[in-house]
Amino acid sequence: QKEVEQNSGPLSVPEGAIASLNCTYSDRGSQSFFWYRQYSGKSPELIMSIYSNGDKEDGRFTAQLNKASQYVSLLIRDSQPSDSATYLCAVNVGAAGNKLTFGGGTRVLVKP
Amino acid sequence: DADVTQTPRNRITKTGKRIMLECSQTKGHDRMYWYRQDPGLGLRLIYYSFDVKDINKGEISDGYSVSRQAQAKFSLSLESAIPNQTALYFCATSDPSAAANYGYTFGSGTRLTVV
Repeated sequence: QKEVEQNSGPLSVPEGAIASLNCTYSDRGSQSFFWYRQYSGKSPELIMSIYSNGDKEDGRFTAQLNKASQYVSLLIRDSQPSDSATYLCAVNVGAAGNKLTFGGGTRVLVKP
Repeated sequence: DADVTQTPRNRITKTGKRIMLECSQTKGHDRMYWYRQDPGLGLRLIYYSFDVKDINKGEISDGYSVSRQAQAKFSLSLESAIPNQTALYFCATSDPSAAANYGYTFGSGTRLTVV
């Protein structure tokens, strides 16, 4: 089992709809969770971080964390064509912390 | 100037050649990382360094070596390049005091092709 798993997609959503992305992780000791957006050929850019159970909202993005079930999700509201990208889930694992393990990414396509 | 600079941006090299990818940062971060990215596999950790005298292997270190020349510089070497090392390589840095909330700062990447 991979440490961090995501559905590879593509996840196709119409413009204006909600995109829902999921990520599961295997290490129960994980403390910090991140969502990165990556455009093709570019470097990942951080869009959300979360470390407590529950929801965290930032603009059109909401991250949700459930440590008991070991999943973290990302909702993108009012999806725009510019949201079309690959979204990477990353988990901070290990006792020393600060060493991110990434999922394979979910490709999102927002259609006008 | 970018906070994390990788050179070269693109490189084509032949099988068996030695190649070095360089990374420098102006963030003042102690922690630096090298990842490679292949389609559908996300980013996989090659090596990481928590300070100048600390070097650690990641999940896919075979065929690679690193050098931490200074706090700001972390180089990745392929001693004898092979075609399955063709990938997009990223350098990243982090500040341990802020990492829980801020994750990594990435360089722009080096696209390496081994023919």
